[in-house]
Amino acid sequence: KNEVEQSPQNLTAQEGEFITINCSYSVGISALHWLQQHPGGGIVSLFMLSSGKKKHGRLIATINIQEKHSSLHITASHPRDSAVYICADTDMRFGAGTRLTVKP
Amino acid sequence: KAGVTQTPRYLIKTRGQQVTLSCSPISGHRSVSWYQQTPGQGLQFLFEYFSETQRNKGNFPGRFSGRQFSNSRSEMNVSTLELGDSALYLCASSLTLRRGEQFFGPGTRLTVL
Repeated sequence: KNEVEQSPQNLTAQEGEFITINCSYSVGISALHWLQQHPGGGIVSLFMLSSGKKKHGRLIATINIQEKHSSLHITASHPRDSAVYICADTDMRFGAGTRLTVKP
Repeated sequence: KAGVTQTPRYLIKTRGQQVTLSCSPISGHRSVSWYQQTPGQGLQFLFEYFSETQRNKGNFPGRFSGRQFSNSRSEMNVSTLELGDSALYLCASSLTLRRGEQFFGPGTRLTVL
């Protein structure tokens, strides 16, 4: 069993929709990373958070350490948000990723 | 500030050969971590170097090794290549050990024939 689980695996949305990607982990951690990977492979770190909520533009990440759960939200989604979103715990165990496609 | 650079970007090798990949971190970053990404296994942690010392290691065979130089540049080496070593190899640098924010390089795509 993977120690970091993500859902859904694939997600297709229409431009403008609100997106939620979930991440659950089994081992206690001090922080969680959210990463974005575009076609071609480059990975960008979106958030590293240890409690509560962080916001950057249209992206919001929340974490509940007690419930071992984090969510990544995208408001007013846009086709350029199409990418794979990956969560990872502080020991860099990775989720399998969520492939998001936003259609115009 | 220049980002993390990796060389080469693409590499084709045959089984049994060895390969060395290079990673230059962001200036001032002392930690370099290496990751392997394959379609089947996803992203997996290989190892982390900080101040020229390996600090953490993932669950990979001894054919995978690395080192870090005094200028924080890092290399990883894979000996006796196997077909299953075909992957995207990513390095990431951070100011502190890997529990800090990671900045990823573009990756080296290795194909083993």
